[in-house]
Amino acid sequence: EVQLVESGGGLVQPGGSLRLSCEVSGYTLSDHYMDWVRRAPGKGLEWVARSKNKINGYTTEYAASVKGRFTISRDDSKHSLYLQMNSLKTEDTAVYYCARAAYLRGFDYWGQGTLVTVSS
Amino acid sequence: DIVMTQSPDSLAVSPGERATINCKSSQSVLDSSKNENFLSWYQQKPGQPPKLLIYWASTRESGVPDRFSGSGSGTEFTLTISSLQAEDVAVYYCQQYYSTPLTFGGGTKVEIK
Repeated sequence: EVQLVESGGGLVQPGGSLRLSCEVSGYTLSDHYMDWVRRAPGKGLEWVARSKNKINGYTTEYAASVKGRFTISRDDSKHSLYLQMNSLKTEDTAVYYCARAAYLRGFDYWGQGTLVTVSS
Repeated sequence: DIVMTQSPDSLAVSPGERATINCKSSQSVLDSSKNENFLSWYQQKPGQPPKLLIYWASTRESGVPDRFSGSGSGTEFTLTISSLQAEDVAVYYCQQYYSTPLTFGGGTKVEIK
């Protein structure tokens, strides 16, 4: 059974940092693109970052709103995806989901999400 | 960036009636090499993560009830719930995965009338 479990969310002050983790099971992490998607309170879904799979060199891509502040990475040996978030702003407050990208099908598996609150 | 525009923002439908949600993309999401539209639909219920319903604009994900159907091509797409059930109350999103940045529509909240 495929499972994705996020952790690491919490309350942080503006300008602070936080690292989110997503532990996966039930499939080989290196075979898949993995993404972070967020949903701010009262808003819709927003794509944040992508880590391509091993065959595509683990290339990363970012939304303009987080580029230069957030870093996506993975450790396939630990079955884990990460999102390092620096210079956090109040507008980064959201539930953050890790999601598995199915080949040419969209996101077929999602974690339950972890809440990040940026507030003084 | 490809902008995804959904309409309406919300709708209330009587049980057993049809619900229709529209999604327009600012440019075509049809991949000519594969002849597929890189457009998916998700359902998100309160307190839950999104769930993939439809991909390639019209292919149902495994396990999704057949009352859910998708149609359209190029830049205009539709999600139809043929006979609304109480458990279908949720927010629905379209998403293009033709190019990064991946983008979602603003969401349509479906309620029971």
